[in-house]
Amino acid sequence: DTEVTQTPKHLVMGMTNKKSLKCEQHMGHRAMYWYKQKAKKPPELMFVYSYEKLSINESVPSRFSPECPNSSLLNLHLHALQPEDSALYLCASSQTSASSTDTQYFGPGTRLTVL
Amino acid sequence: GQSLEQPSEVTAVEGAIVQINCTYQTSGFYGLSWYQQHDGGAPTFLSYNALDGLEETGRFSSFLSRSDSYGYLLLQELQMKDSASYFCAVLSGYSTLTFGKGTMLLVSP
Repeated sequence: DTEVTQTPKHLVMGMTNKKSLKCEQHMGHRAMYWYKQKAKKPPELMFVYSYEKLSINESVPSRFSPECPNSSLLNLHLHALQPEDSALYLCASSQTSASSTDTQYFGPGTRLTVL
Repeated sequence: GQSLEQPSEVTAVEGAIVQINCTYQTSGFYGLSWYQQHDGGAPTFLSYNALDGLEETGRFSSFLSRSDSYGYLLLQELQMKDSASYFCAVLSGYSTLTFGKGTMLLVSP
């Protein structure tokens, strides 16, 4: 089973709202990732969690706040977003984040629209 | 920094063979991955090459030459459902995956 689940599938929010995106995997993976993908563009790495600790933050604005409550769950808290933040937000997981053979498996994504 | 080059679009007919090339310049290299993404969907893992040579998985094969910083994805017996975007992605330190801009494959009857 290589399934990563994400909720919600779609989210529309105003610039003053606070919302959260959720990601879950039950493959025993110890590395989890958030990516942002704009239309017709490749995914761009935002955050990497390794063994539930934030290991990489790709200079993401503070209005995006990741959280890893346990090894199976990854959240992305959103606050005071801008319309340009509208995108597909993808979660991925891999066995670890320090192996030369790790494969990242992606969830279906949350399509976010900021009004 | 990381830089990957792949064609923006490739067209082919059903039953044909198509090759999507990818060249890269990276600081740190563990291997080259390929992902397929249908419109509105998530990237789906296709293959990974850490060593030089050819990896075959059904109708799809992937090749890597580390000395040439070059790889390709070969799709055989094309089907309509293969119409999608294909991304090469370099895996570097701490599982940092950097994607190319993607190649849109259009398969026609």
